[in-house]
Amino acid sequence: GAGVSQSPRYKVAKRGQDVALRCDPISGHVSLFWYQQALGQGPEFLTYFQNEAQLDKSGLPSDRFFAERPEGSVSTLKIQRTQQEDSAVYLCASSLGNRGSYNEQFFGPGTRLTVL
Amino acid sequence: AQSVAQPEDQVNVAEGNPLTVKCTYSVSGNPYLFWYVQYPNRGLQFLLKYITGDNLVKGSYGFEAEFNKSQTSFHLKKPSALVSDSALYFCAVRAAGRRALTFGSGTRLQVQP
Repeated sequence: GAGVSQSPRYKVAKRGQDVALRCDPISGHVSLFWYQQALGQGPEFLTYFQNEAQLDKSGLPSDRFFAERPEGSVSTLKIQRTQQEDSAVYLCASSLGNRGSYNEQFFGPGTRLTVL
Repeated sequence: AQSVAQPEDQVNVAEGNPLTVKCTYSVSGNPYLFWYVQYPNRGLQFLLKYITGDNLVKGSYGFEAEFNKSQTSFHLKKPSALVSDSALYFCAVRAAGRRALTFGSGTRLQVQP
């Protein structure tokens, strides 16, 4: 079956522009995660959804970052008034289980955001 | 707060030799540990996980990892390296009660023919 897909794969934005990044999780996966991966670093957690509920947004770096998953499937990560420090690869992951499970997360290919 | 350390930025090994990629962690309570591999322009791929039970965990592509509670380590191993194993490897930990993974900074494995 299809894995996690993300679009666009590459995005170039001018400083101050708003961007929206899309994630299509694996069908039937309850949990969805967003991570930010800076160059040469490991991914860092941004936020987590269980179905449509955003249960953890402790990793969002500022109020310019906003994520939603209104119907419990596709998710969008929005960054308002982009800054150069937002340049990174944004990874989406999904997993089968709910909050108490230990299922592994399956990652998409990422969206590489470059802010000029 | 949990953390993961991967002390080696790069590991070089000859094809056919055993390989070890090191990982130590810090977490409150029981740890849930994962290894992922990242190939260029591709997403992270799951290799294996430790949740509970046997300290030696076997995973994909012939990889295994040994959980050592006293040393708070979860080193990745493979008995015989392949050139195709060359990639970036990430160790991650999840604390009980949280779903987020905390990743290490990654170790680049280079297997020479």
